[in-house]
Amino acid sequence: NAGVTQTPKFQVLKTGQSMTLQCAQDMNHEYMSWYRQDPGMGLRLIHYSVGAGITDQGEVPNGYNVSRSTTEDFPLRLLSAAPSQTSVYFCASRIQGSNSPLHFGNGTRLTVT
Amino acid sequence: SQELEQSPQSLIVQEGKNLTINCTSSKTLYGLYWYKQKYGEGLIFLMMLQKGGEEKSHEKITAKLDEKKQQSSLHITASQPSHAGIYLCGSHGAAGNKLTFGGGTRVLVKP
Repeated sequence: NAGVTQTPKFQVLKTGQSMTLQCAQDMNHEYMSWYRQDPGMGLRLIHYSVGAGITDQGEVPNGYNVSRSTTEDFPLRLLSAAPSQTSVYFCASRIQGSNSPLHFGNGTRLTVT
Repeated sequence: SQELEQSPQSLIVQEGKNLTINCTSSKTLYGLYWYKQKYGEGLIFLMMLQKGGEEKSHEKITAKLDEKKQQSSLHITASQPSHAGIYLCGSHGAAGNKLTFGGGTRVLVKP
């Protein structure tokens, strides 16, 4: 089982560039989410989705866009990267409507110079 | 939004010694999750607690939920180097769609 797959693992961007972080899961989970992890601040929720065509904002959505066209994929877009977006990004998924735990990908380490 | 405070932020323990991590919520807990993160990797699910007074164990790790105190604790008995990593607690509000996390506790086990 692949679980939650994130690509790329590492990325360096210049300020103002755009890019998409990819996330795919093969567990048929309705719920998917994106977090960023910064030193001393734990994980902060960026956006989440409870199913295809449905997305909503988390704690820190500014500067990020998401869409959910399929159950499997939940890409995160940075339209104009800023140094403040330097972080480690984690995608996670779970069964919707239950207290089942989140399954995490291995993260994407993004540096914006 | 729900805020979770973890203590301590970091700790160093001698191999074989016990350790305890606490997670305190600013609001009612509707489920409390414990995860472990190895350095540079993703999060691995450890345990989930749902009811006040609930206690779960897996190998040498025990987690308890005190609903009245809005607090959970994670206890590791006879720590080993494999227990090193970052431990995070997470919880969601009544709606269940926004899982928030504490700041994490970094554990180092000295051989």
